[in-house]
Amino acid sequence: QKEVEQNSGPLSVPEGAIASLNCTYSDRGSQSFFWYRQYSGKSPELIMSIYSNGDKEDGRFTAQLNKASQYVSLLIRDSQPSDSATYLCAVNIWMDSSYKLIFGSGTRLLVRP
Amino acid sequence: NAGVTQTPKFQVLKTGQSMTLQCAQDMNHNSMYWYRQDPGMGLRLIYYSASEGTTDKGEVPNGYNVSRLNKREFSLRLESAAPSQTSVYFCASSPMGQPGNTIYFGEGSWLTVV
Repeated sequence: QKEVEQNSGPLSVPEGAIASLNCTYSDRGSQSFFWYRQYSGKSPELIMSIYSNGDKEDGRFTAQLNKASQYVSLLIRDSQPSDSATYLCAVNIWMDSSYKLIFGSGTRLLVRP
Repeated sequence: NAGVTQTPKFQVLKTGQSMTLQCAQDMNHNSMYWYRQDPGMGLRLIYYSASEGTTDKGEVPNGYNVSRLNKREFSLRLESAAPSQTSVYFCASSPMGQPGNTIYFGEGSWLTVV
């Protein structure tokens, strides 16, 4: 079992719709969770971080965290074609006596005009 | 705003050759990281340095060595390159070590081993 799991997609949504991206993780002790966006051929860039259970909103993006279910999600409202990218979930995992930031394999999002 | 700078951006190596990927950050960050990214595998941590003078193995350290030369610089060395090390390599840094700190990535180094 991978430490951080995401559906690889592609997730295809029409322009203006809500895109929902999901991520599960294995370490119950994890405290920090991040969503990165990566365009093809580019480096990952941070979209959201979340540390507490519940929702955190930033513009069109909402991160949701449920530690009991070991589940974190990212909602993108009013999706735009420019949102088409791979979205990477990252979680701090206790590994070999220290925390390490471990990434999922990413979900590719396609927003259709 | 240079941020995290990696060199070289592209490199082709023959099997068995050695090379060093250089990374420098100008954000006065304490922690630095090397990740590799392969299709369908996401980013995998190779090595990281929580602070100057310390290094630690990540998920996939075999075949690599690192040096934290000073607070700014963190290099990754391939002693005897193998085709399995063909990948995109990202250097990153964060203000402090994990947990909780956002990490910032360089632009990546595309390495092909033939």
